[in-house]
Amino acid sequence: NAGVTQTPKFRVLKTGQSMTLLCAQDMNHEYMYWYRQDPGMGLRLIHYSVGEGTTAKGEVPDGYNVSRLKKQNFLLGLESAAPSQTSVYFCASSSAHQTQYFGPGTRLTVL
Amino acid sequence: GESVGLHLPTLSVQEGDNSIINCAYSNSASDYFIWYKQESGKGPQFIIDIRSNMDKRQGQRVTVLLNKTVKHLSLQIAATQPGDSAVYFCAENELSGGSNYKLTFGKGTLLTVNP
Repeated sequence: NAGVTQTPKFRVLKTGQSMTLLCAQDMNHEYMYWYRQDPGMGLRLIHYSVGEGTTAKGEVPDGYNVSRLKKQNFLLGLESAAPSQTSVYFCASSSAHQTQYFGPGTRLTVL
Repeated sequence: GESVGLHLPTLSVQEGDNSIINCAYSNSASDYFIWYKQESGKGPQFIIDIRSNMDKRQGQRVTVLLNKTVKHLSLQIAATQPGDSAVYFCAENELSGGSNYKLTFGKGTLLTVNP
């Protein structure tokens, strides 16, 4: 089992550019999550999904969109990147109300 | 809103000593607590969890203690090794509207193990 994987590992964008981060899990988990981690702020939930075809907003959803077309994949999109979105992004998955397992992260820099 | 916090932002110990990392929580409705370890440049890694109907749970070299009276959680690492150097997060699983649960993370404690 690969667990939770994220693509890409690193990315540099210019302000206004768009991109999609891909998260994949092979543990047959129903729940998937996107977090961002900033120094001194801890992990903050962006969006999450409780099943294929469903998504919901987390703590800091503005500027991001997500899609869960397949159970094993959860995509995070930035339509028009801003410097404030420079961060490390983590995807996680879990069975309902159980421990979340995290991916290795994507380091995004927006210039 | 209620949140999870940590007493100490940094902890430095000698190799071989025991480490204790503390966490305070304020939501008495939380029923599940998790400790994560995050090494530099990596994602958080599950260490151990405990449910609110338990006071103590042991793993390999790690023990989590839960004191519901004072809303306090601690992670004890026995015979700390250099490979234990990392940031440790506690997280609480709390109800967030209806039947949905939300995992709230503390900001982390940096553990440094000196050889």
